[in-house]
Amino acid sequence: DQQVKQNSPSLSVQEGRISILNCDYTNSMFDYFLWYKKYPAEGPTFLISISSIKDKNEDGRFTVFLNKSAKHLSLHIVPSQPGDSAVYFCAAKNTGKLIFGQGTTLQVKP
Amino acid sequence: GAGVSQSPSNKVTEKGKDVELRCDPISGHTALYWYRQSLGQGLEFLIYFQGNSAPDKSGLPSDRFSAERTGGSVSTLTIQRTQQEDSAVYLCASSPAPLPYNEQFFGPGTRLTVL
Repeated sequence: DQQVKQNSPSLSVQEGRISILNCDYTNSMFDYFLWYKKYPAEGPTFLISISSIKDKNEDGRFTVFLNKSAKHLSLHIVPSQPGDSAVYFCAAKNTGKLIFGQGTTLQVKP
Repeated sequence: GAGVSQSPSNKVTEKGKDVELRCDPISGHTALYWYRQSLGQGLEFLIYFQGNSAPDKSGLPSDRFSAERTGGSVSTLTIQRTQQEDSAVYLCASSPAPLPYNEQFFGPGTRLTVL
């Protein structure tokens, strides 16, 4: 049973445009959500997070939106840069451990 | 300071052999986690250690998998009688404390290939 889902395996955008990565979850008890970025042959690195008491968190070019009623969160990257090309994982915290989605591969074309 | 380190970076083994994977967390981090990523899949939780508490083993896929954490620092993940489906990248992470808002810092992973 996949509690955290990223239904788009890949996304391609032009440099300078907005990238929107989506994530859905099923467990309403999740109270904290995170986005991680992963380059090949490296471990995931933390990008941005949001508590369930908020609906938006912004950090520079990255903004995460949370819609609790829809059990949906999204990561917006604007403007997108070629260095943003990586695999993006959303994760939900559940009693200490993280439940990850399958990941979305973002390609930003120059 | 140093990040999370894992060894070996790559391990190739034959089906049926036992393997040990090592994780050195960030100094002072009390929480340690093991995940794995199989080809084309997301990260799958395996086990979680927090201080002296009993570990959360709820993600271990079978009794061939075990892990220990000695002295609250280094951890070893052991897979006995490896199978081809155990092939994956095994990732270790640590965090300062199990507070909800502490991020987990990941190591580079160990790529395990079972022939």
